[in-house]
Amino acid sequence: DTAVSQTPKYLVTQMGNDKSIKCEQNLGHDTMYWYKQDSKKFLKIMFSYNNKELIINETVPNRFSPKSPDKAHLNLHINSLELGDSAVYFCASSPLAGGGLGETQYFGPGTRLLVL
Amino acid sequence: KQEVTQIPAALSVPEGENLVLNCSFTDSAIYNLQWFRQDPGKGLTSLLLIQSSQREQTSGRLNASLDKSSGRSTLYIAASQPGDSATYLCAVRLGYSTLTFGKGTMLLVSP
Repeated sequence: DTAVSQTPKYLVTQMGNDKSIKCEQNLGHDTMYWYKQDSKKFLKIMFSYNNKELIINETVPNRFSPKSPDKAHLNLHINSLELGDSAVYFCASSPLAGGGLGETQYFGPGTRLLVL
Repeated sequence: KQEVTQIPAALSVPEGENLVLNCSFTDSAIYNLQWFRQDPGKGLTSLLLIQSSQREQTSGRLNASLDKSSGRSTLYIAASQPGDSATYLCAVRLGYSTLTFGKGTMLLVSP
């Protein structure tokens, strides 16, 4: 069983469209994350949710809206897609949030988004 | 603002060699440091996690060290194999924040 799964794996779409990426973890973790890996392979945090509540929101355009229906799911909806949104989006989860805790983050396989 | 730098950006070695990957970070007030492996077209796999109070961690042929005061970590791979070919990412955690990643070292081990 895949611990952290994402759908779809690939997403090709036109500029201006709205799309969603889904993430599910079956590890019983409390915290989930969305990361973006750009064309230069640089991974950066976008959002972090703990028990369905948003705890971290980095400088991300408000066209990106995460939603967590329950603590096992964290979806990412993107409105009015732009060329610069093309990237690989990774979902991750960890047992707990907060500093001082040595928990490992477990990553999903990524969703490769290409905006034309 | 925390910055994580990894050197070298790419490394090519023949099979069997021992090698060292370097990671440096600007803010030494970290809670832990994690080394990941990323295979082409795939997600990240956690290799080793070092708590701020630890100096090293070992897993099989991998050994990671941490010198928090100087802001450095190394990942040592012994007796490299072609299957070790991947991109290796270093990431640090600051308090309540999430991981800050380096850009990675792309390793190629040739048979």
